[in-house]
Formats: sequence, C-alpha cells, structure tokens
Amino acid sequence: NAGVMQNPRHLVRRRGQEARLRCSPMKGHSHVYWYRQLPEEGLKFMVYLQKENIIDESGMPKERFSAEFPKEGPSILRIQQVVRGDSAAYFCASSPPAQGVNEQFFGPGTRLTVL
Amino acid sequence: AQSVAQPEDQVNVAEGNPLTVKCTYSVSGNPYLFWYVQYPNRGLQFLLKYITGDNLVKGSYGFEAEFNKSQTSFHLKKPSALVSDSALYFCAVSPHGSGNTGKLIFGQGTTLQVKP
Repeated sequence: NAGVMQNPRHLVRRRGQEARLRCSPMKGHSHVYWYRQLPEEGLKFMVYLQKENIIDESGMPKERFSAEFPKEGPSILRIQQVVRGDSAAYFCASSPPAQGVNEQFFGPGTRLTVL
Repeated sequence: AQSVAQPEDQVNVAEGNPLTVKCTYSVSGNPYLFWYVQYPNRGLQFLLKYITGDNLVKGSYGFEAEFNKSQTSFHLKKPSALVSDSALYFCAVSPHGSGNTGKLIFGQGTTLQVKP
C-alpha cells in the first residue's frame, strides 16, 4: 500500500507564474488536508477536502489560492500569480473515512521556490 | 485563539539518557493530541495519539507521551535515547466538538539532537 504521494517534490517558479501541486492520498482514504510550512515555522492548516467537496478552507489565503479534490484523480493545490512569500514546503495529508479519530498520514511535501 | 506551544527550540541529550520534549496547548474542550516526527526533507511520520483513557500513551519507536489535563500538557518521552532519534518533533492538537473538521494545529517544532 503506497503512502501519500506528492508531486513534484521540488518546484521553481518566477513571480507571477502559476504553481500546481498534486497529492494522491493513500488507497482507501477519502479525506485530504493541505498544510504549509514556512521556513523555521511549524505547519499551518490550509484546507480540508473530501471527494468533490471543500469542507474547511479557513486557512486558505483569500486570493490566488484554490484547491480541489475531483472524483477521479489527485487533489490539486493551485497558486496563481506566485510571489516570493509563497516559497514554502506544502504538505498533503490523508485519512480514511471518519470512524473515530484517525491520524493523518503525510506525504513527502512539495518545496516551492519563487524566484 | 487555539494554539500549541513547544517551549524549546532544541533539546540536546546523550545517547542512552532519557529524553523529554515539552508541549502545552490552549484549546477549548477536550482535544485530541498527537506527536509527529520529521526527518530532513521528509514528510511527517505519526508517533502516537491521545484520545481518551489512560494518561500515558505508548507509540512507535519506544516513544510515549503523558497527558496532563490540569497543566494542559502532552510531553513526549523516551526512557533511553538513540542517535537515530535525532529529528524535528511536532506536537499537534485537533479540537474536538461539533464543527471541528479534524484539522491539526501544530506547535513550532523542537529539534532533538542525540549525541553519541
């Protein structure tokens, strides 16, 4: 059973370009969470999705950021018109359908560098 | 505001000695509590969780954590440290109750350095 997959592992963009980060949850997991880790800081929650639904986007910046988790395919975190402050590691985590309290399983992260 | 504090940026311990990594939280209600470990350029790995019941929780790789409700703490412990335990450790809480969606609130992390 493969773990949470994220690609690309490293992404370099120039200011103003778009960044697309992909996350494939573990098999059987239908819940996906995105977190951002800025340098020298802990992880900050961004968004929580289930298949075709955004459940909680309270941590998403109001502009330029969007996320989706389609019926088929990976979850996508999209950042439009990137700025240098978007440089960070973006982690995806997945968990199975809620039966009790489940730990989240994290992917290796995508390290975004904005030049 | 809900928050998690890890008061030590770094903890240094000699191999074979016991280790403690501290965590306190400020969350309403009875949260769920977690510890994760992060190795360089890797994602987070789950170590253990506290939901309810016995205040001492045992997890992976010989780690354990003690929940103290009155002190709102959830310190991570290990009786005998290994050099391979050197990594970045994160405490996290998940607020419990209606409307909470399972998102994790993380502390800023503590670097554990175990020296031979």
